[in-house]
Amino acid sequence: EVQLVQSGAEVKKPGESLKISCKGSGYSFTSHWIGWVRQMPGKGLEWMGIIYPGDSDTRYSPSFQGQVTISADKPISTAYLHWNNLKASDTAMYYCARPMRAGTIDAFDIWGQGTMVTISS
Amino acid sequence: DIQMTQSPSSLSASVGDRVTITCRASQSITTSLNWYQQKPGKAPQLLIYAASRLQTGVPSRFSGSGSGTDFTLTITNLQPEDFATYYCQQNYNTPGTFGQGTKVEIK
Repeated sequence: EVQLVQSGAEVKKPGESLKISCKGSGYSFTSHWIGWVRQMPGKGLEWMGIIYPGDSDTRYSPSFQGQVTISADKPISTAYLHWNNLKASDTAMYYCARPMRAGTIDAFDIWGQGTMVTISS
Repeated sequence: DIQMTQSPSSLSASVGDRVTITCRASQSITTSLNWYQQKPGKAPQLLIYAASRLQTGVPSRFSGSGSGTDFTLTITNLQPEDFATYYCQQNYNTPGTFGQGTKVEIK
């Protein structure tokens, strides 16, 4: 079964750093892009960025460029979303998602279960 | 970035109704348009890709149409499990922007 399993909920303070993870299984991890999507409480979906684990090619939305870092560890089939300086406005649910076709940034047909990140002093 | 605008933002409908949601792109995206359904507390699920192609396992009462800048998601014979929020998304280029969502509520 193809699936993405994300790390658990996090509670952090402003200014702290955080890395959340997304582990892929049931498919060739290095052949498919993996994207990250933010959903703030009660709000819509926002496309943050996407990485191709095969060569670490990474694309960011201008809204998130410089605010987060996306990376991947091929041997353990895991993608990451990292913050260096968390803000209260980073409080949100974060989803990883995989596009349908290998090597192509198309529709996301596989989604992780989401990681809730809460930033509070 | 390509801007995606959905309408309406919300609608009320009854079981058995036909529902239409529209999505407009700020520039031509050919048929690089996807539709997702999201229920409270759950991850989004892909319904339609490439504007009109039904994802495997999705009921045939869901259909999509359009090309260029204007797209439509239609749900015929609305079922109780269809009450949810629907999002369009373009994958013509990055960032793969989403529409703001349309909440379908029970009348």
